[in-house]
Amino acid sequence: GENVEQHPSTLSVQEGDSAVIKCTYSDSASNYFPWYKQELGKGPQLIIDIRSNVGEKKDQRIAVTLNKTAKHFSLHITETQPEDSAVYFCAAKSNTGGFKTIFGAGTRLFVKA
Amino acid sequence: GAGVSQSPRYKVAKRGQDVALRCDPISGHVSLFWYQQALGQGPEFLTYFQNEAQLDKSGLPSDRFFAERPEGSVSTLKIQRTQQEDSAVYLCASSSAGDTQYFGPGTRLTVL
Repeated sequence: GENVEQHPSTLSVQEGDSAVIKCTYSDSASNYFPWYKQELGKGPQLIIDIRSNVGEKKDQRIAVTLNKTAKHFSLHITETQPEDSAVYFCAAKSNTGGFKTIFGAGTRLFVKA
Repeated sequence: GAGVSQSPRYKVAKRGQDVALRCDPISGHVSLFWYQQALGQGPEFLTYFQNEAQLDKSGLPSDRFFAERPEGSVSTLKIQRTQQEDSAVYLCASSSAGDTQYFGPGTRLTVL
């Protein structure tokens, strides 16, 4: 079945530096790739998403890139701030695999002030 | 506006007890999803509703798990004869016509 792998599992950066989280997926039919931020005791919150017909998308300090050939997609956060500290999940959804969204295992991001 | 709400936020059950977890989706959202999130892991799909129809229940781990959405709005996830491995956070998400899912805060279930 569909599998999404996410790296690294933990990432620590200095405030102001950039953070990059990488994911790979297995189902070539995947066409929707959301990224979620989850803070302690809360549900995941969508921060950005990208569809398979686009290679890159940016929203202020957050950008996502997609390489369909390699089945890779990445989240880039620039000018990190302490409030960016959270767990980030990538996910993939196929238009042929029913209604499932498959999540990665998460990356715990620490931004040190 | 109001987001997805879930109740209770915390539930402690003794092994063998039945539990019922409630999800109130965003008003007007057609799609509703249930996920199970184990500690330190990503959410795992359990089941999907489109209005009142349960179109995909392939993620339910056993026949002890049952979900319903009888009027196409509020949904209940029921777990019968709970076991320790059922301990997790149960997340509900709703969506309108597109792919974007909005998650509730989750219910943390602890089975003793």
